[in-house]
Amino acid sequence: GESVGLHLPTLSVQEGDNSIINCAYSNSASDYFIWYKQESGKGPQFIIDIRSNMDKRQGQRVTVLLNKTVKHLSLQIAATQPGDSAVYFCAERDGYGQNFVFGPGTRLSVLP
Amino acid sequence: KAGVTQTPRYLIKTRGQQVTLSCSPISGHRSVSWYQQTPGQGLQFLFEYFSETQRNKGNFPGRFSGRQFSNSRSEMNVSTLELGDSALYLCASSPSTDTQYFGPGTRLTVL
Repeated sequence: GESVGLHLPTLSVQEGDNSIINCAYSNSASDYFIWYKQESGKGPQFIIDIRSNMDKRQGQRVTVLLNKTVKHLSLQIAATQPGDSAVYFCAERDGYGQNFVFGPGTRLSVLP
Repeated sequence: KAGVTQTPRYLIKTRGQQVTLSCSPISGHRSVSWYQQTPGQGLQFLFEYFSETQRNKGNFPGRFSGRQFSNSRSEMNVSTLELGDSALYLCASSPSTDTQYFGPGTRLTVL
């Protein structure tokens, strides 16, 4: 499959543990954020989103936290499974041009 | 619903040639965005089309262009290919301005 990023930060976690992937964003005008998962050879897959008027949102096994004060976004994955191994991207939409800007990505490696 | 489809999945071209990539969005989605993904630069926004009009454009040279048809299908064209254009080109569709759903991408290799 394609190499999404040769020098991405990597997070290694034990199967069954919780994972926390972090993302810093720069635009205080960003009003909408998305986390994507990209597996080798595939396009990014939507995981969860959050609007700037919220600070927490939960999905199935995933939670996104938004701290606007320090412009920080995190994705928490509960009970990490081997199928969670992938590259995770955060994306922010600026409130003006409506473009999405993607972070560099974090490679999650789940150890057996 | 069927997902976003992109054709072709793989393409090999030589410098100076031009290429056209195609994207069929999810049924009912009127917004189509294109991105370039490379190991060095990550995911970079190219442009977005909504109802056949370019709504937003990223910082790419004029060699990169696109269009959208009345059925929301979109094409992007790259003229005078350079080695640095080798990348995974991703198309994403959206019903409005929120969540984008990506296709599998077209892997372009320029020799």
